[in-house]
Amino acid sequence: LAKTTQPISMDSYEGQEVNITCSHNNIATNDYITWYQQFPSQGPRFIIQGYKTKVTNEVASLFIPADRKSSTLSLPRVSLSDTAVYYCLVGDIQAGTALIFGKGTTLSVSS
Amino acid sequence: DGGITQSPKYLFRKEGQNVTLSCEQNLNHDAMYWYRQDPGQGLRLIYYSQIVNDFQKGDIAEGYSVSREKKESFPLTVTSAQKNPTAFYLCASRQDSHQPQHFGDGTRLSIL
Repeated sequence: LAKTTQPISMDSYEGQEVNITCSHNNIATNDYITWYQQFPSQGPRFIIQGYKTKVTNEVASLFIPADRKSSTLSLPRVSLSDTAVYYCLVGDIQAGTALIFGKGTTLSVSS
Repeated sequence: DGGITQSPKYLFRKEGQNVTLSCEQNLNHDAMYWYRQDPGQGLRLIYYSQIVNDFQKGDIAEGYSVSREKKESFPLTVTSAQKNPTAFYLCASRQDSHQPQHFGDGTRLSIL
C-alpha cells in the first residue's frame, strides 16, 4: 500500500482558502486518493475521492497532477468549524481491503 | 436515518475481563471494519469482514476477536490477552469496493 506524507499541522483564519498537500510517491496504477475529516471523539467523515485531474463537490476540491505522486485538498473559505484532523489515504479501493490512516494534518482555524 | 451505531460510547473494563463492543449498521453494506485509534495517532486496522461468516485479521488483531453472523452486525471482543486495550475504537462499513467507508462515532474503552 502506498505511503503518504502530510504536514503534521496547519493554521488558518476564517474566510481563507486552505490547501493541504499529500505526497504519495509510490502510488500504484489502481490506487485512488481519498480524504477524510475527523473531529475529536468522532469517527472520520468522508470528504472527497479522486483518481486524476480535479474533483469538486459541495465542500472541497481535490487536485491531482498528471504524475499522481501528490494531491492537494482545497477547502474554500474555512470557518472555525473546519478545525479538525484531515487524513489523506491512498489505496486500491477495488481490492476490498481497508485503507491505511496515517497521523493526518491537524488544521486549526482562528477568528 | 441510515447509519452505523456503536455502543456503548464509553466502556470500562477491569483487568482480566473480556468486553464486547457493538457495531450495527442499517446501510445494507457488505463490508465492515474495526479500527483502533490511540491519542494523536491515526487509525490501525484490527479486523475486517467483506461478507457474512467471513473475516480477516488486520494489522493488530492479537488480543481481539470478531464474529459476523449477520450482515448488519460486527461485534468486537477485546479479550484479556490484549494488554493495552485503552483506546478509541471505531467501526466502519462500506457498500462495495468503489465506495468510501462510513464510520460510527466510536467507543472509548478504559481500564479500571
